[in-house]
Amino acid sequence: SSELTQDPAVSVALGQTVRITCQGDSLRSYYASWYQQKPGQAPVLVIYGKNNRPSGIPDRFSGSSSGNTASLTITGAQAEDEADYYCNSRDSSGNHLNWVFGGGTKLTVL
Amino acid sequence: QVQLQQSGPGLVKPSQTLSLTCAISGDSVSSNSAAWNWIRQSPSRGLEWLGRTYYRSKWYNDYAVSVKSRITINPDTSKNQFSLQLNSVTPEDTAVYYCARDKREDSSSWLYYYMDVWGKGTTVTVSS
Repeated sequence: SSELTQDPAVSVALGQTVRITCQGDSLRSYYASWYQQKPGQAPVLVIYGKNNRPSGIPDRFSGSSSGNTASLTITGAQAEDEADYYCNSRDSSGNHLNWVFGGGTKLTVL
Repeated sequence: QVQLQQSGPGLVKPSQTLSLTCAISGDSVSSNSAAWNWIRQSPSRGLEWLGRTYYRSKWYNDYAVSVKSRITINPDTSKNQFSLQLNSVTPEDTAVYYCARDKREDSSSWLYYYMDVWGKGTTVTVSS
């Protein structure tokens, strides 16, 4: 099956902008979704599709994609944004349309 | 709003069957616009999709290749829930297990898939 690759760790100064990327062949066919996970909690959807935010997600979170790379941008990072971030997408490399996840990026807000 | 409530044992012996249930409120397991997934997370494997069940005039299942020979996901329309059974478990199956809803949105110019609702997770340890 296809894989999604993320940088293991990224840091950002408080109030600055950070971009987290996700690469994989499946992203040429399907949009990525992005999830925020804090310790001991379930993942929470923050971005899906071209650049859609579920209700309740701050507008400092945005998404974009180009070719085989999807990006999550946090503009004006806050202390509460410190978390692990995962991308996922549908994957049609097998006989069925499955799901694939990235390995996650740990975001530290300095 | 939609909520998923997980239940099941936190300790399973090697070679036995892991069984978890996910009860749905605010949506229907028979929805034509949703699918119901099981995902697990461990330090060694990260987030790993296991499989899903969904209804589109009839019931379908998709399973990850890595567990296809050992997994069954079943809907229970009478209780509006779905279940996971994973047979012949080993310590490698120790993980936090999540259930999640996935949705599809489409128009003439775009197609989106996403997992918008997750259960709180169940920690399952495989040990004698």
